[in-house]
Amino acid sequence: DTAVSQTPKYLVTQMGNDKSIKCEQNLGHDTMYWYKQDSKKFLKIMFSYNNKELIINETVPNRFSPKSPDKAHLNLHINSLELGDSAVYFCASSQVGGEEFFGPGTRLTVL
Amino acid sequence: GENVEQHPSTLSVQEGDSAVIKCTYSDSASNYFPWYKQELGKRPQLIIDIRSNVGEKKDQRIAVTLNKTAKHFSLHITETQPEDSAVYFCAARYGGSQGNLIFGKGTKLSVKP
Repeated sequence: DTAVSQTPKYLVTQMGNDKSIKCEQNLGHDTMYWYKQDSKKFLKIMFSYNNKELIINETVPNRFSPKSPDKAHLNLHINSLELGDSAVYFCASSQVGGEEFFGPGTRLTVL
Repeated sequence: GENVEQHPSTLSVQEGDSAVIKCTYSDSASNYFPWYKQELGKRPQLIIDIRSNVGEKKDQRIAVTLNKTAKHFSLHITETQPEDSAVYFCAARYGGSQGNLIFGKGTKLSVKP
């Protein structure tokens, strides 16, 4: 009965590769998010998306792109992976203005 | 710009003592202030939140206070227990009700038995 789920939980890959992380929520929420948590535990918003608007944090490289096939899914595609992309990526969802529910996270390691 | 300052970065208390974590924000339009707890290797989970029309909110051993004039808000945990040990994040919603959460840098709380 998971509210927000992500796959995979762990992702180990080589520099230069392209990878995707999937996220699904079954809460009926309008908005989904991607966050990056670095080794110092800082949580930074990367994207927020509802069926009307994608808001991109301007500091996010354009190698990162969110794709939403429907309201319950927001996947994250990363092209040309770099060492600095290693982090834990969290998906989250909320109703507009409401509590954000986080997924379990995906630990990405770029070698 | 959008910024949330959180202090202290680490906090160590004895079991049964109180713990206080403080945050300041820069956007006077912010109206929603949640606190998240993140245990090691787990996801952040909401423990309490407060909206700008309220000055204080309490839930058992946890309370949050908000001073809109000074743009700061605090988390208070009383009668701390070892299971309270975690990283705590404050956040503020910027840009109105549809804006994004901006998180503080976190406070690592250690409760010693």
